[in-house]
Amino acid sequence: SQQGEEDPQALSIQEGENATMNCSYKTSINNLQWYRQNSGRGLVHLILIRSNEREKHSGRLRVTLDTSKKSSSLLITASRAADTASYFCAGGSARQLTFGSGTQLTVLP
Amino acid sequence: NAGVTQTPKFQVLKTGQSMTLQCAQDMNHNSMYWYRQDPGMGLRLIYYSASEGTTDKGEVPNGYNVSRLNKREFSLRLESAAPSQTSVYFCASTERGEYYEQYFGPGTRLTVT
Repeated sequence: SQQGEEDPQALSIQEGENATMNCSYKTSINNLQWYRQNSGRGLVHLILIRSNEREKHSGRLRVTLDTSKKSSSLLITASRAADTASYFCAGGSARQLTFGSGTQLTVLP
Repeated sequence: NAGVTQTPKFQVLKTGQSMTLQCAQDMNHNSMYWYRQDPGMGLRLIYYSASEGTTDKGEVPNGYNVSRLNKREFSLRLESAAPSQTSVYFCASTERGEYYEQYFGPGTRLTVT
């Protein structure tokens, strides 16, 4: 079964707006990772947050992790058309990652 | 560096045929993974190799076998393909286990008729 469930499944915003995606997971994790997938391509790693961290930033990305609620969020600020992609969270434990079903983000120019 | 490479990019099989998907990485990573991705879904782990010489089942191993040929290469074999195995297959590698980011190949799109 999927480790993570992303919410929403699809999100459409205007260029320049912020995009927020949420992820809930089921079991204990060592870290939570976010990946992006452009149509027809492999996944690309965006950011990793460890279980003892609460917030992490990387460029226009901000990730939060709440281990008590087993949830994480990914915020993309000042979105661009090039951010259009599917975004997946993945929980890391027991030598592997377990992926959620993803959020399809569309950024309209 | 090429990163993670996969061959072939596309394949069409008839039910019952066999084939091997090849994966290689040039980053000297210890761990390698095979996933499948079905439409509208995330990735599901088929098999993984935490280190050279070891392989373990993931979430959906039935109908597949793997070989960690050496540190660079990790192959996935379908012995008798079924329509339910129609999917996009991704190989990935990482320095070690779940503690580091995974690097993905471009995928193999497999159709079983």
